[in-house]
Amino acid sequence: DQQVKQNSPSLSVQEGRISILNCDYTNSMFDYFLWYKKYPAEGPTFLISISSIKDKNEDGRFTVFLNKSAKHLSLHIVPSQPGDSAVYFCAAILLTSGTYKYIFGTGTRLKVLA
Amino acid sequence: DAGITQSPRHKVTETGTPVTLRCHQTENHRYMYWYRQDPGHGLRLIHYSYGVKDTDKGEVSDGYSVSRSKTEDFLLTLESATSSQTSVYFCAISDVTRGTEAFFGQGTRLTVV
Repeated sequence: DQQVKQNSPSLSVQEGRISILNCDYTNSMFDYFLWYKKYPAEGPTFLISISSIKDKNEDGRFTVFLNKSAKHLSLHIVPSQPGDSAVYFCAAILLTSGTYKYIFGTGTRLKVLA
Repeated sequence: DAGITQSPRHKVTETGTPVTLRCHQTENHRYMYWYRQDPGHGLRLIHYSYGVKDTDKGEVSDGYSVSRSKTEDFLLTLESATSSQTSVYFCAISDVTRGTEAFFGQGTRLTVV
């Protein structure tokens, strides 16, 4: 049962335009949400996070929006650059029995076209 | 970069043999995690640890065991490797008292033939 879902396996965007990556979740108990970027043959690297009590967090070209009523979050990258081409994972932190787990989505492959 | 080292980086093993992957951290983070990455499945949690000798199962723990005898090391053992365990394995560390993000190692590519 996938608690964090990324329904778009891939996305192509022109350089300079906005990239919007989407993520849906089913568990209303998640405390934090995060986005990671992954290049081939490397480990995922943290991009940006948002608390479940916020609706927006911005860091440079990256902005994450959280819509709790819809159980949906999105990552906006503007302007998109060729170096942003990677796989993006949405993740959520779940606190259960006093311990923290990170639950990841299936990923979206972003290709930024020059 | 967070000080996380996974070893080995690549391994080919035969079906039925035991395999141990090692994750070593120099950050003194409390939590350590093992994930596997497979096409169409993203990153799935195998086991995690919230302290020395404290471990718990993730969503795909069958066929795997873990041990954490000291803060810096978290071992993942495939008791009897199967072809379905061919995957890329990632270790991650976190300490929620310092921040919400988890930091990942570079991964171990395991092939079971």
